[in-house]
Amino acid sequence: TQLLEQSPQFLSIQEGENLTVYCNSSSVFSSLQWYRQEPGEGPVLLVTVVTGGEVKKLKRLTFQFGDARKDSSLHITAAQPGDTGLYLCAVREPNSNSGYALNFGKGTSLLVTP
Amino acid sequence: EAGVAQSPRYKIIEKRQSVAFWCNPISGHATLYWYQQILGQGPKLLIQFQNNGVVDDSQLPKDRFSAERLKGVDSTLKIQPAKLEDSAVYLCASSLGRITYEQYFGPGTRLTVT
Repeated sequence: TQLLEQSPQFLSIQEGENLTVYCNSSSVFSSLQWYRQEPGEGPVLLVTVVTGGEVKKLKRLTFQFGDARKDSSLHITAAQPGDTGLYLCAVREPNSNSGYALNFGKGTSLLVTP
Repeated sequence: EAGVAQSPRYKIIEKRQSVAFWCNPISGHATLYWYQQILGQGPKLLIQFQNNGVVDDSQLPKDRFSAERLKGVDSTLKIQPAKLEDSAVYLCASSLGRITYEQYFGPGTRLTVT
C-alpha cells in the first residue's frame, strides 16, 4: 500500500485568497485522482492525472502532477465559500483479484470564510 | 441519472449492539465498494464486489463485519457486535467495472457507537 501524505491538514482562509495543497509519496504513481468531499456527502471526483508534469485546469482549480509522478498539487485561485470541503488525493492499486482499489490520503480540510 | 443511495443517513447504537447499512448503486454498475471513513482520515476500503462476487475483502474485520450483494444489485453491510472504534462514516461507491477509473460515492451513513 502506497502511503499518501497530504499537507496541510487544515487550512482556513478568507474569500478571494489563493491556496495550494499537496499530495506526496515516496512511490511512483501510474495515475492520481483528486476528490472533494463536502460536509455530509461522499467524495466527488475532480480530476485524474496520468502523465508526469501534466497540468489540468477546472475553472479556478489547477492540478499538477509531478515530473517524477511521486507528488501532486492542487491550486485554487480566488477561493470562494463553496470551495469549503475535504480535498482528498487517491491512487489506484491492484488488489488480490484482478481488480483495483483506491488508496486515499488523509485529506486537507479547507474552510473558506466570506 | 440517480446517484448511489444509502440508508440510514445516521445511526446511534450502544456498543455490542448490531447494525446494518443498505446501499443501492447506480443502475448498471457492476462493481460496488464499501469504505470506512474515520473522522480526520480518508476512506479505507472494506470490501469490493463484482456483481454478486467478492473481489477483495482483505481489510474487512470478518469477526464482526459482514457484507452481501446477493442479486448483484443492492448491498448490505452489517456490524455485529459493534465496538466504540467502529464509529465512522460508512461510504458506498459503485463503478461500471472493476478496472474503471471513476467511482461514484453515496452520501454515507454516519455511525456513532456509545
